[in-house]
Amino acid sequence: GQQVMQIPQYQHVQEGEDFTTYCNSSTTLSNIQWYKQRPGGHPVFLIQLVKSGEVKKQKRLTFQFGEAKKNSSLHITATQTTDVGTYFCAGLRSSNYQLIWGAGTKLIIKP
Amino acid sequence: EAGVAQSPRYKIIEKRQSVAFWCNPISGHATLYWYQQILGQGPKLLIQFQNNGVVDDSQLPKDRFSAERLKGVDSTLKIQPAKLEDSAVYLCASSLVGGGLAGDDNEQFFGPGTRLTVL
Repeated sequence: GQQVMQIPQYQHVQEGEDFTTYCNSSTTLSNIQWYKQRPGGHPVFLIQLVKSGEVKKQKRLTFQFGEAKKNSSLHITATQTTDVGTYFCAGLRSSNYQLIWGAGTKLIIKP
Repeated sequence: EAGVAQSPRYKIIEKRQSVAFWCNPISGHATLYWYQQILGQGPKLLIQFQNNGVVDDSQLPKDRFSAERLKGVDSTLKIQPAKLEDSAVYLCASSLVGGGLAGDDNEQFFGPGTRLTVL
């Protein structure tokens, strides 16, 4: 089974509120990638984090990689309707370079 | 630049039948991936090719699934015979490089997927 846990499974927010999803691995990761999948679409690459403690920003999105390279987070500030979709992390295991995907967090904007 | 092409987009078959999917990656991309995505779940890697060699097929159900990438370019994934639990979207992705390299060239580009329904 998958060894990258991603929480929460769903998050309902009002437009303008913040959103955060977390990924935790049982093993050390060589790097971690984040993808976004719109409803009915395919995953689209957002970013890759490589260094311990790395923080990267893309406009309203902030990505962090933990010091131990076992966890990561994605934070969206002031969500917009265009942010709707499922956000996946995918970690590259250091031991065997196998890419393991989280189950995703679905961002839902309340009407 | 053309993206990853997949066909067919949709397929409906009965259990115990066979089915094949085709993928043409982005030109020049050495690494090709086949994923299975069941509704509401994350993609599950079935097989990863580096050029025409298999890098990882540890999660491929080899009793019924097979894949090949004969000339290191396009690839086919076959299921024979299909089971009800094989109903899913099959995604193909490619990257310039892959494996343990830490550079940006690990970015995976996905095709539109093939939605398989097994009745």
